Parts: sequence; structure tokens; C-alpha cells
Amino acid sequence: GQNIDQPTEMTATEGAIVQINCTYQTSGFNGLFWYQQHAGEAPTFLSYNVLDGLEEKGRFSSFLSRSKGYSYLLLKELQMKDSASYLCAAMDSNYQLIWGAGTKLIIKP
Amino acid sequence: DAGITQSPRHKVTETGTPVTLRCHQTENHRYMYWYRQDPGHGLRLIHYSYGVKDTDKGEVSDGYSVSRSKTEDFLLTLESATSSQTSVYFCAISENREYNEQFFGPGTRLTVL
Repeated sequence: GQNIDQPTEMTATEGAIVQINCTYQTSGFNGLFWYQQHAGEAPTFLSYNVLDGLEEKGRFSSFLSRSKGYSYLLLKELQMKDSASYLCAAMDSNYQLIWGAGTKLIIKP
Repeated sequence: DAGITQSPRHKVTETGTPVTLRCHQTENHRYMYWYRQDPGHGLRLIHYSYGVKDTDKGEVSDGYSVSRSKTEDFLLTLESATSSQTSVYFCAISENREYNEQFFGPGTRLTVL
């Protein structure tokens, strides 16, 4: 079967760094997406990785290891507005997105 | 922001009644999707469309039907709503299949009593 695993909830301190992990098992693989979703709102795109390695975009970076079926999202210089759920989604051989349940990130002052 | 709207934004209905949710886009994107989101679950695909009159089932399609008569509109119908269909429904669009970055509508909160 196809499966995405990510932690349910994480807590971090304002100004710190946090890493949110995601492991995936899919029928074929065509890339890994990260989305941010604030409470009561729609998901919004953060990053896309299809090759191994680190993609950096401002305070956010995303890493992919295809051989390990593993990705992480790294958030630096945390701000209170980063409090949200972070959704990991892997694209399978049919180009469908398989979604994780999301990681709720709580930022404390 | 991608131009996607959903209507209604909130709806309360009773078991056994039909319900239609509408998704409208102004981006002229080919692909449109309907998801449901429930606590403890990831987004689950109900149906998707890859063109006018071209639709296919997703992971949780039982009890739902869709129609797409125009590029910009994608309708989701619950033929006879049940309490298990109480959820938040999101519509999404994407421009192409291979790079499937999806843009989401604001969501519809549906309660079936």
C-alpha cells in the first residue's frame, strides 16, 4: 500500500530551528511536496523536490533522499506566524498526490 | 493567488438530502480535484478531472459524483448525504500532470445531521 508518515505535533521556540520529517512509501515516485496550512485555511505550496538533496528557499529548506524514502522540511528563525500544520505529499507513478496527515507545529515565545 | 472559489463556504444539511458543491477557477488550468480533509487523515482524493467531461475516481469516491461541463467549473454531488460525509471539502487545480503543484480553494465546511 501507499503510506506517508510524519509526526502529529511538534513544539519549538520562536527564533529557533525545527526539522519536520516525512517518510513515504508509494507505487513509483515522481516528487515530494510540502504544503503549509494555517488553521481554518487552505493548504499553500512551500516546496517541491524530485532529485536528492537540499532545496533552499529563504527561511525554509526541504531535503529529499529517494533511496531512503525520506524527506524533511527545515524551518529557520522561527516566527509566531509559522504556527501551522505542515503537509507532506508524495507523487506516485500515476502523478497522484498521496498526503500525510500533517504535522501541527506550535511555536512558543 | 490562483483564482479559485468554492460555494457554499458552509452548509448544514440533513441525512438523505442531495448536496452539490461548486468549484470555480479563473486560471484555465486543465486539472481539477476534489478532496476531503478529516482530523487524523491526510487529504483524501474523491474525484478528479483532466478536462471537460473527463473525470476519474479517487481514493474515496463512494457516495460522490462529479461533473465538469466547462473548463472553469467542477461540481461535486453527494447523492444522498450521510453523517460520515461531514467534512471539510477542498477543491484544487493544477496546470499539468507531471509537475503537480496544486492550488487550493478556500474550502467548504459541510455538516450532515
